[in-house]
Amino acid sequence: DAGVIQSPRHEVTEMGQEVTLRCKPISGHNSLFWYRQTMMRGLELLIYFNNNVPIDDSGMPEDRFSAKMPNASFSTLKIQPSEPRDSAVYFCASSRRMGNEKLFFGSGTQLSVL
Amino acid sequence: QKEVEQNSGPLSVPEGAIASLNCTYSDRGSQSFFWYRQYSGKSPELIMFIYSNGDKEDGRFTAQLNKASQYVSLLIRDSQPSDSATYLCAFETGNQFYFGTGTSLTVIP
Repeated sequence: DAGVIQSPRHEVTEMGQEVTLRCKPISGHNSLFWYRQTMMRGLELLIYFNNNVPIDDSGMPEDRFSAKMPNASFSTLKIQPSEPRDSAVYFCASSRRMGNEKLFFGSGTQLSVL
Repeated sequence: QKEVEQNSGPLSVPEGAIASLNCTYSDRGSQSFFWYRQYSGKSPELIMFIYSNGDKEDGRFTAQLNKASQYVSLLIRDSQPSDSATYLCAFETGNQFYFGTGTSLTVIP
């Protein structure tokens, strides 16, 4: 199994630009999670999907953030416009089903907004 | 408010010693508990999970769960320099996973 695949691995952009992060979950997993990790706040859940449907987006910091999951094998997290305080590592993770299952992480996207 | 509390460390142990990592959680309804290891610049990697009270052993790792005290721990026996990493405690409840901020462990050769 290829694991959770994220792209790009690194993204450097200027303030105000649009940023799109991509994720392919593990095949057969029907829950997908987007996390943000910083030194100060640790891992923060931004949004999660079950069967491609957004279940809880209360962790999305602002309207500048949006996420989609058009099918079972692909999800995007978009930031528009980006700000320097968005600089962090963004992880996508997936699990086989909701509840009582193990969560597997992608390699993350290191985002730097200048 | 769902919270996970961990001692941020850093925790330093000599090679061959037992490293003990502790975690408390806020939600009594939690059923699933996890330990993740994260090397610097890498993603979290699941190393242990435990669902029932008591101990669960896997090689050099032992997870201990006490639901009454809302406490979970991870013991690493015969610590190796390759165990040096940040260890994240997590629990699952309400179909969401909640993580602590991690404990940094350094194993000194």
